[in-house]
Amino acid sequence: DTEVTQTPKHLVMGMTNKKSLKCEQHMGHRAMYWYKQKAKKPPELMFVYSYEKLSINESVPSRFSPECPNSSLLNLHLHALQPEDSALYLCASRLRVSSYNEQFFGPGTRLTVL
Amino acid sequence: QQQVKQSPQSLIVQKGGISIINCAYENTAFDYFPWYQQFPGKGPALLIAIRPDVSEKKEGRFTISFNKSAKQFSLHIMDSQPGDSATYFCAASSSGSARQLTFGSGTQLTVLP
Repeated sequence: DTEVTQTPKHLVMGMTNKKSLKCEQHMGHRAMYWYKQKAKKPPELMFVYSYEKLSINESVPSRFSPECPNSSLLNLHLHALQPEDSALYLCASRLRVSSYNEQFFGPGTRLTVL
Repeated sequence: QQQVKQSPQSLIVQKGGISIINCAYENTAFDYFPWYQQFPGKGPALLIAIRPDVSEKKEGRFTISFNKSAKQFSLHIMDSQPGDSATYFCAASSSGSARQLTFGSGTQLTVLP
């Protein structure tokens, strides 16, 4: 199983809503990532988890709150988002943070903030 | 110094032609150079990757050429097919930055039938 799954595929939320994005992998990878991607732009790194601990936060606003409940699951909790936060949110995983191994990306969640 | 510069921004080639996308970097600590392919509505997928100890790597129709002295690397797609139409991102990483991927700006490739 070389797959990263993400749910939901699409999400529309108002600025006062609270929602969560979910990411799952069963490849035994211990490094997991959240990226944000705007149209026609490369992915921008948001967070890195290594062995279920947050190791990198790229100065992301606190309205985005990551969580790694176990080695297979990564969540991104969303609260009080702004319309400019509308984007494709990608989850990725790799065997370890320091490894040369391939970083696998999920299909993403298309988020629209009204 | 962390940037990876990618060109062209968009590329149109005829079916059967060669597609060439170029990237340049400044950070000499980079030691891993992957190329990702992304179709609309999908996440990026690793296409091919190279380390600087070799000058070329070929996988099927896809070849990476690497010039360490010039700090440049390129992707060549031979016999381009309409199914290759996608956005291509070059990237680079180093051990000093926890292998974070620094992406190029992307190239939108269209292969005409």
